[in-house]
Amino acid sequence: DVVMTQSPLSLPVTLGQPASISCRSSQSLLYSDGSTYLIWFQQRPGQSPRRLIYKVSNRDSGVPDRFSGSGSGTDFTLKISRVEAEDVGVYYCMQGTHWPWTFGQGTKVEIK
Amino acid sequence: EVQLVESGGGLVQPGGSLRLSCAASGFTFSDYWMSWVRQAPGKGLEWVANIKQDGSVIYYVDSVKGRFTVSRDNAKNSLYLQMNSLRAEDTAIYYCASTRRSENFDYWGQGTLVTVSS
Repeated sequence: DVVMTQSPLSLPVTLGQPASISCRSSQSLLYSDGSTYLIWFQQRPGQSPRRLIYKVSNRDSGVPDRFSGSGSGTDFTLKISRVEAEDVGVYYCMQGTHWPWTFGQGTKVEIK
Repeated sequence: EVQLVESGGGLVQPGGSLRLSCAASGFTFSDYWMSWVRQAPGKGLEWVANIKQDGSVIYYVDSVKGRFTVSRDNAKNSLYLQMNSLRAEDTAIYYCASTRRSENFDYWGQGTLVTVSS
């Protein structure tokens, strides 16, 4: 199985400041169709996961543009340009290229 | 509005069985792959299974192969997860999800809790 490794696992951030989460996969996520199926989810306390980003850098509907994704191959990053209080939660990267689809361990974002 | 509503969770003894259901509405159910994802209490996410639109292709994570069976009824807009030979490590919130990897389409239910304990 593809192992997804996130860092850091805990991220205290000051409101209005940027935040960055790294995600590395144990093998390339480039699929035979030319797409890279790296996805980012946000899970707020007590809620179901919500997808933020698909195919590395595409934002889902309703996702604020302060969220951005980048990367290729095995190295990916989720950035929040200015953290707001509603961004508190756990963020997961996930690969949808190789079955079984696998998640990173999660990064807990909290306000300092 | 897209809605996915899971039901059927509860307390079951080790070795027992349970059947989860997911009622879908607000989209053309038969056009989409469907998925089950689980989350053990206080832990991360695990993608359990995917089923193709017509049910002809199903993928399972190794940890549930041979014990869990996914099925769907497109006439009833419903997804199912039959869970047999349950173990303590199957204790989790089970989410029904409909997602497309390449498109702006990703919806999850609120989840149903399965507890395997004696």
